[in-house]
Amino acid sequence: GEEVAQTPKHLVRGEGQKAKLYCAPIKGHSYVFWYQQVLKNEFKFLISFQNENVFDETGMPKERFSAKCLPNSPCSLEIQATKLEDSAVYFCASSPNRVNTEAFFGQGTRLTVV
Amino acid sequence: AQRVTQPEKLLSVFKGAPVELKCNYSYSGSPELFWYVQYSRQRLQLLLRHISRESIKGFTADLNKGETSFHLKKPFAQEEDSAMYYCALGGGSQGNLIFGKGTKLSVKP
Repeated sequence: GEEVAQTPKHLVRGEGQKAKLYCAPIKGHSYVFWYQQVLKNEFKFLISFQNENVFDETGMPKERFSAKCLPNSPCSLEIQATKLEDSAVYFCASSPNRVNTEAFFGQGTRLTVV
Repeated sequence: AQRVTQPEKLLSVFKGAPVELKCNYSYSGSPELFWYVQYSRQRLQLLLRHISRESIKGFTADLNKGETSFHLKKPFAQEEDSAMYYCALGGGSQGNLIFGKGTKLSVKP
């Protein structure tokens, strides 16, 4: 597609429940990035993929968070046993290259943990 | 440590006035600087990148390595410029962007 598509737009989960977010990058883009934005503050980098391979996961919380980008499927970000502090907008971005290039963002998924 | 600082949370100007959104960065290597904009109810989109040295929608930004700044400027603000503006730093081998906290620009009629 021509735009990065994120689903769902909004997600409400009770504490302890699982949350799964999806991102379809722009066709032909090799890189996918996930960012977390809490309370409209700065974007925190979580993880990046080069095609289906994890490229950099230095921002991912060690526990509870996992992500995948499988061939012919949307990428996904999963949070096991959600906590209140996971409430945030999660943005996905894709780009054709890794450096010196424009990153195209999705509209984000707003996760609310109650 | 790599860091981007946008000192103003909110900047309010009148239509036709000049506007400058400040951005300072901390980076030991060769930085790539970007300005992203998010209009109301729209996705984040690229406005400018320093390497292309272009002017988009009347906005310009010059990378000043001595002052480690990449301020965004426009001589005459328009109401449609009202939006959230994020300065972002790239250039690392990882490819991800480091964002500032953003500045909300409000242009009053």
